[in-house]
Amino acid sequence: SYVLTQPPSVSVAPGQTARITCGGNNIGSKSVHWYQQKPGQAPVLVVYDDSDRPSGIPERFSGSNSGNTATLTISRVEAGDEADYYCQVWDSSSDHQGVFGTGTKVTVL
Amino acid sequence: EVQLVESGGGLVQPGGSLRLSCAASGFTFSSYSMNWVRQAPGKGLEWVSYISSSSSTIYYADSVKGRFTISRDNAKNSLYLQMNSLRAEDTAVYYCARAYGSGSEVYFDYWGQGTLVTVSS
Repeated sequence: SYVLTQPPSVSVAPGQTARITCGGNNIGSKSVHWYQQKPGQAPVLVVYDDSDRPSGIPERFSGSNSGNTATLTISRVEAGDEADYYCQVWDSSSDHQGVFGTGTKVTVL
Repeated sequence: EVQLVESGGGLVQPGGSLRLSCAASGFTFSSYSMNWVRQAPGKGLEWVSYISSSSSTIYYADSVKGRFTISRDNAKNSLYLQMNSLRAEDTAVYYCARAYGSGSEVYFDYWGQGTLVTVSS
């Protein structure tokens, strides 16, 4: 089955830029989606199809995807961005399966 | 406003059964594929199952295949998950999530608040 690997944690000062990576075999050939989850809450979609933002998501959230790594970038980080972030793809290569990354805890210093 | 409200969670003994429900509103339920996603306490997200808008296509994670059954009733705007032969490792918050996209571009654009399933003796 397809595996997505994320760093367990990323720390960033307010106003700086946080970059969260999501590694997978030839992930650049897939569409990658990103979710934000705050404690006790359901996940929220923040980026879909590699780099598109749903309505209501700030422009500070952006995404890219190439080769074996996809990246979620949060610019001008705010305290309210502190959360867990998960990447996700749909693996249709064999058994059709949704696949989530291992998750990254973003801490705002 | 899109709303997804799960129910049916609770405490069940190992080997037991439970049926989860998800009531949908604020969109044309019969036009969208739906999913169940779970999260064990303190752990990450795990996709569980997918059902297409007409119920013609269904997928399961390997970890639940043969034990869980997803279904829907478009007349009642409801999604279900029948869980049999439950194990301790099935303990999790179960989320109902609307799917968007098709083929290899499926993602989850709206989520419910989840219902907790605890499997313990």
